[in-house]
Amino acid sequence: DVKVTQSSRYLVKRTGEKVFLECVQDMDHENMFWYRQDPGLGLRLIYFSYDVKMKEKGDIPEGYSVSREKKERFSLILESASTNQTSMYLCASGAGLNTEAFFGQGTRLTVV
Amino acid sequence: GQSLEQPSEVTAVEGAIVQINCTYQTSGFYGLSWYQQHDGGAPTFLSYNALDGLEETGRFSSFLSRSDSYGYLLLQELQMKDSASYFCAVRDIRAAGNKLTFGGGTRVLVKP
Repeated sequence: DVKVTQSSRYLVKRTGEKVFLECVQDMDHENMFWYRQDPGLGLRLIYFSYDVKMKEKGDIPEGYSVSREKKERFSLILESASTNQTSMYLCASGAGLNTEAFFGQGTRLTVV
Repeated sequence: GQSLEQPSEVTAVEGAIVQINCTYQTSGFYGLSWYQQHDGGAPTFLSYNALDGLEETGRFSSFLSRSDSYGYLLLQELQMKDSASYFCAVRDIRAAGNKLTFGGGTRVLVKP
């Protein structure tokens, strides 16, 4: 079974902190994605990566950055956390264009 | 960019049929996917359409019309366990890599 693992299920951080959300996949997928999910807004794409060290902005990249130093790991970084970044963060990975994406269990981040 | 529209909520009774429509706008369309997400869980893949027509997988079917930029997910013989949110998603091949964008989701409530 494909496994996408996010490092934390729940996180509470203070405003202004630098926050790292980690995601690891074990299926050698080229593509990895970070989404945030808020009630009524669906899944909004923050950043995605199609290869090591390659990254592309999604639809809401402001306030976030990413790092992909190894193929299996894709990190989301909140440079200076703000309360409006309180959300559920979902990581996903997938192979080619016509294949499914596999999701991690999500990290519920609360910024206080 | 991409945008996907789907109804926010649908309610039906056990045994009924539900159709969830999805209209999309994207510059480099490459396939429409559907995902299911139960409360507290991660999204899981249901189906994928790259070509026009109907794809059937058990009680669930998915349809695509590329000329109309439209697709739907058909849930038949509804069961209580089908109560979940359902998301349509599109891949954009004009974006570098494999951008995967989701709609806002349709919450399906199945009543006894």
